[in-house]
Amino acid sequence: GQQVMQIPQYQHVQEGEDFTTYCNSSTTLSNIQWYKQRPGGHPVFLIQLVKSGEVKKQKRLTFQFGEAKKNSSLHITATQTTDVGTYFCAGSLRAGTYKYIFGTGTRLKVLA
Amino acid sequence: GAGVSQSPSNKVTEKGKDVELRCDPISGHTALYWYRQRLGQGLEFLIYFQGNSAPDKSGLPSDRFSAERTGESVSTLTIQRTQQEDSAVYLCASSWTSGPTGELFFGEGSRLTVL
Repeated sequence: GQQVMQIPQYQHVQEGEDFTTYCNSSTTLSNIQWYKQRPGGHPVFLIQLVKSGEVKKQKRLTFQFGEAKKNSSLHITATQTTDVGTYFCAGSLRAGTYKYIFGTGTRLKVLA
Repeated sequence: GAGVSQSPSNKVTEKGKDVELRCDPISGHTALYWYRQRLGQGLEFLIYFQGNSAPDKSGLPSDRFSAERTGESVSTLTIQRTQQEDSAVYLCASSWTSGPTGELFFGEGSRLTVL
């Protein structure tokens, strides 16, 4: 079945350092979403990417969708302690269907 | 309500018992999802309802798991003859399918512990 892998599984950074998580799908995706889950919380939507090669920015966060629409990345510049949590990508196989398969997640810890 | 509501928030049961988990989606959301999240793990897709279409049950791990949804409202996930490996947080999410982003709105989850 479809698999969506993320690397790294865990990342510890010093506050102020940059952080990147990578998402790779075994199949081409129609679109990809990113979510953040704080410890003890539920996933919260960050962004959706639809177009091949698309890049979107939200303040210190930069999201990219690969040209082949099989991979994506989330980059955080100058991490802050509020960035702590697990970041998940979620991919949809086909346009018009909204079944999202979540990646394995990257757990980020930020050391003050 | 303002968000996705799930009940119970916590459920402790004995191995072999049946449990029922309930999800109230955001009003007007046509899509409803159930995911399972084991401790420290990712979200495992279970089932997806889209309007009046047949649900996508491809993620249900065994025939002990079933789910129903009445129209575009409440959904119930039932686990029969619970096993210890069923212990997890069961997350429900809902979404529009005609909105600009199709983002999933998650409930707080139902934490199931099977003793």
